[in-house]
Amino acid sequence: AQSVSQHNHHVILSEAASLELGCNYSYGGTVNLFWYVQYPGQHLQLLLKYFSGDPLVKGIKGFEAEFIKSKFSFNLRKPSVQWSDTAEYFCAVRGFNTDKLIFGTGTRLQVFP
Amino acid sequence: EAQVTQNPRYLITVTGKKLTVTCSQNMNHEYMSWYRQDPGLGLRQIYYSMNVEVTDKGDVPEGYKVSRKEKRNFPLILESPSPNQTSLYFCASRPTGSSYNEQFFGPGTRLTVL
Repeated sequence: AQSVSQHNHHVILSEAASLELGCNYSYGGTVNLFWYVQYPGQHLQLLLKYFSGDPLVKGIKGFEAEFIKSKFSFNLRKPSVQWSDTAEYFCAVRGFNTDKLIFGTGTRLQVFP
Repeated sequence: EAQVTQNPRYLITVTGKKLTVTCSQNMNHEYMSWYRQDPGLGLRQIYYSMNVEVTDKGDVPEGYKVSRKEKRNFPLILESPSPNQTSLYFCASRPTGSSYNEQFFGPGTRLTVL
């Protein structure tokens, strides 16, 4: 079955710490991969996406993610987090030439000053 | 401004009282979808629509109805709401025709069913 796993449910960091959020997917075939962020009380915003090409993709606000096809992973990273990064982060996968977006269960990130 | 709008943003209702949550997009997108977000479960698709008059069930369609009479609108209907439908609901849209298009999400509707 198609699925997305986010192993970190709740991450707590101090400002300036490095961040890596795990995302693994199960899907047979070519995929498009996404990370969405949801700040408190707000709607989902696209952080970054991978469609093809360079497996290291850079998004907004200093975030990046690396697609490792052999590991079915698309981990999100940021070298130095800020208090304003406090939010919930969702990984999502969509099969190539399909419309359905499958979400992971989300990771809640809390950054303390 | 290109956007997906939802109304209402917050709603408290009682069991069995029919309600409709509206969703509208001004980007001429063919594909529209409804999700519900619950703690620990992420976002799950309720219904989706590929175009006008074309709708289909997602992963959790029970207790919901949708319609797509116009391209821009995709209302979510709860004929007889129950407490287990208390959730945060998101509408989304995207253009079809290319696999490189992302989904755009509305601001969400927080529904409480007492």
